[in-house]
Amino acid sequence: DQQVKQNSPSLSVQEGRISILNCDYTNSMFDYFLWYKKYPAEGPTFLISISSIKDKNEDGRFTVFLNKSAKHLSLHIVPSQPGDSAVYFCAASGYGGATNKLIFGTGTLLAVQP
Amino acid sequence: NAGVTQTPKFRILKIGQSMTLQCTQDMNHNYMYWYRQDPGMGLKLIYYSVGAGITDKGEVPNGYNVSRSTTEDFPLRLELAAPSQTSVYFCASSRQGGNEQFFGPGTRLTVL
Repeated sequence: DQQVKQNSPSLSVQEGRISILNCDYTNSMFDYFLWYKKYPAEGPTFLISISSIKDKNEDGRFTVFLNKSAKHLSLHIVPSQPGDSAVYFCAASGYGGATNKLIFGTGTLLAVQP
Repeated sequence: NAGVTQTPKFRILKIGQSMTLQCTQDMNHNYMYWYRQDPGMGLKLIYYSVGAGITDKGEVPNGYNVSRSTTEDFPLRLELAAPSQTSVYFCASSRQGGNEQFFGPGTRLTVL
């Protein structure tokens, strides 16, 4: 049972345009959501997060939107750059009490074309 | 700070062999985690620890063991390697009360 779903395995966008990566979740107990970026042969690196008490969080070119009623979040990258090409994982926490355990989606491979 | 370091980077094992994947963090984080990532899949939690001497199972613990004798180190032990354990293994750490986890570079393990 996949509690965090990223239904698009891949996404291709032109440099300078907007990239929108989507994530759906099923467990209403999740109260914190994170996006990680992963380059080949490296570990995931934290990108941006959002608490369930907010509906938007912005950090430079990256914005995460949360729609609790739809159990949906999205990551917007504007403008997209070739260096953004990577796998993006959505993750959720809050189900494991104080242990900070994360549930990850399967990832979306973003390719930004020059 | 080196952050989270993992050794080895690559390893090939024969079925039935054993090995230990090493993980060390220098951020004085209480919490540490082991994940595996299979092709086309997300990261699955194997074991985690909330402090020295305290460990607990994650989603996919079968075939693995862990120990946490110090705050810095969290080794993962495979006792009888099986082809199903072919994967990339990531160690991560976080501070108590912090949601963000910091990951190591991973160990790519192949069991033949």
